[in-house]
Amino acid sequence: KAGVTQTPRYLIKTRGQQVTLSCSPISGHRSVSWYQQTPGQGLQFLFEYFSETQRNKGNFPGRFSGRQFSNSRSEMNVSTLELGDSALYLCASSILAGGADTQYFGPGTRLTVL
Amino acid sequence: TQLLEQSPQFLSIQEGENLTVYCNSSSVFSSLQWYRQEPGEGPVLLVTVVTGGEVKKLKRLTFQFGDARKDSSLHITAAQPGDTGLYLCAGESSNSGYALNFGKGTSLLVTP
Repeated sequence: KAGVTQTPRYLIKTRGQQVTLSCSPISGHRSVSWYQQTPGQGLQFLFEYFSETQRNKGNFPGRFSGRQFSNSRSEMNVSTLELGDSALYLCASSILAGGADTQYFGPGTRLTVL
Repeated sequence: TQLLEQSPQFLSIQEGENLTVYCNSSSVFSSLQWYRQEPGEGPVLLVTVVTGGEVKKLKRLTFQFGDARKDSSLHITAAQPGDTGLYLCAGESSNSGYALNFGKGTSLLVTP
């Protein structure tokens, strides 16, 4: 069974631009969660989608948004990029919603904002 | 606010040594997970503990969940270079809507 895939793996953008990241979960998984990982703050929860509905949202500004499609694939969008948005963005999929179910992480998208 | 505090932040040891990594919080968690992350990859789940006082063993790794479900520890016996990586604990609680809260991690380097 294929794992979680994320595209692109690397991105370089400039301040003020917007970016869209994509995540394809493991087949049969209906929950997709997104995390931001930085050296200073570690892994921080962005949001979780389950069956196309946002179930949970972390403490990030409205510039961060996401969505999930009927095939469970998910995208996250960051508008008006800031230097501090440079990070590794990870998505994780699971069969059930919530954190207790085993989450399988993708390799991440490394975003650099110049 | 970091709900989970991990210590130590960095650890460099020789092959064959034992080590313990700690994960502490003032919050009660309904479950706690340990992950290992290697450079360029996403975290990989090692274990989930759900019962206060629970001890789980995975080969040379021993995980313990505190009686009050507020803390956990990971003990590695006879560390090997292949154990090198970032060890993350993550807790799930109703306070966070059951989203996973991660600690900042312990970066472990095991040299031959």
